[in-house]
Amino acid sequence: DGGITQSPKYLFRKEGQNVTLSCEQNLNHDAMYWYRQDPGQGLRLIYYSQIVNDFQKGDIAEGYSVSREKKESFPLTVTSAQKNPTAFYLCATNDRATGELFFGEGSRLTVL
Amino acid sequence: AQSVTQLDSQVPVFEEAPVELRCNYSSSVSVYLFWYVQYPNQGLQLLLKYLSGSTLVKSINGFEAEFNKSQTSFHLRKPSVHISDTAEYFCAVSSGYSSASKIIFGSGTRLSIRP
Repeated sequence: DGGITQSPKYLFRKEGQNVTLSCEQNLNHDAMYWYRQDPGQGLRLIYYSQIVNDFQKGDIAEGYSVSREKKESFPLTVTSAQKNPTAFYLCATNDRATGELFFGEGSRLTVL
Repeated sequence: AQSVTQLDSQVPVFEEAPVELRCNYSSSVSVYLFWYVQYPNQGLQLLLKYLSGSTLVKSINGFEAEFNKSQTSFHLRKPSVHISDTAEYFCAVSSGYSSASKIIFGSGTRLSIRP
């Protein structure tokens, strides 16, 4: 089936540890995005990538890093510099023909 | 700069009652408008969108939204809700549908259906 796969779905980490969230897509979309979702705040853009080997900061990039070595993959690393990392993280791709965003099922990170 | 306001954070309604979820936006350029739905612990799914043409757009499960340029609104409506409509709904605005980096999301409205 075509879609976006995020893993892990749930993740617990201690403070000060870096964690990497995986996002893989087989929709053949060029553009990929990472959003952070907190209760009552909607979605905030962390990083996005329009093409392989290129990416740009979104509105809340501090404390996060990404890479885009393959079209299918856009992993997000939550570093120890992120002051409040506990959140629900969503990966998405964009169909440029229609403007629609396609989302993965999300990864819930809890930092203890 | 663009912004999206969803006026109600929560909307409780009885099953089979009508519902309206409100969305207002501000933008200095032409906009494209979207409603996404999120079921618990899942990602978002597109419910409907307005890009151009008819200002009334409909989804396959009975929701509809009307683009009102003069009131800068894109309210979502359904004449009779079902328990399965329980979810969070997000309004989004974009100034160019070829670049999702310009999509701005509202803070969401949680729709809860009472039997």
